[in-house]
Amino acid sequence: AQSVTQPDIHITVSEGASLELRCNYSYGATPYLFWYVQSPGQGLQLLLKYFSGDTLVQGIKGFEAEFKRSQSSFNLRKPSVHWSDAAEYFCAVGSSGSARQLTFGSGTQLTVLP
Amino acid sequence: DAGITQSPRYKITETGRQVTLMCHQTWSHSYMFWYRQDLGHGLRLIYYSAAADITDKGEVPDGYVVSRSKTENFPLTLESATRSQTSVYFCASSDGTRRETQYFGPGTRLLVL
Repeated sequence: AQSVTQPDIHITVSEGASLELRCNYSYGATPYLFWYVQSPGQGLQLLLKYFSGDTLVQGIKGFEAEFKRSQSSFNLRKPSVHWSDAAEYFCAVGSSGSARQLTFGSGTQLTVLP
Repeated sequence: DAGITQSPRYKITETGRQVTLMCHQTWSHSYMFWYRQDLGHGLRLIYYSAAADITDKGEVPDGYVVSRSKTENFPLTLESATRSQTSVYFCASSDGTRRETQYFGPGTRLLVL
């Protein structure tokens, strides 16, 4: 069964600092990987996704993620955080089977200090 | 450009009552999903549907019933609500292609007293 681990429950960074959110997955085949962001009281918005090809994926809002098969990781990065990036971030792995199911990590809450 | 909507956005009910959460999408996506979000658990899949009249269980289906008579609607019913079903419920849809992306609704916050 597939699984996703986000080891950091809560991260605090200063505005303008760089950010890296960790995600480790467990999946037997080549995974489909996603990062979603959830602002307070809102639904989930897709930041970026990886299916194949270039292991460095660019997303919206200046985010990028790198797929590292050897480490079973898909870490999310941003070079300079803005106050509006404060939100909860979810990593998810998708199966290639007919169920199209996503398995989510438990999320990382990001606080941005002025 | 309505996308995917959920109603109600907030609901308070009592133990034992039946509650139905509605989900509507305007994209004609074939796949629809129901998740619940609880602190420390992320999102967990309750039920999903590959097309009208085709539904299947996810990770946590007990206590829930779904139906899908029309492609655009995917209601979730709690037949006899319990306190453990207090949660935030998200509906999502995708076009069902191999590399699909799921698009999420704004969520319904349910409190069972």
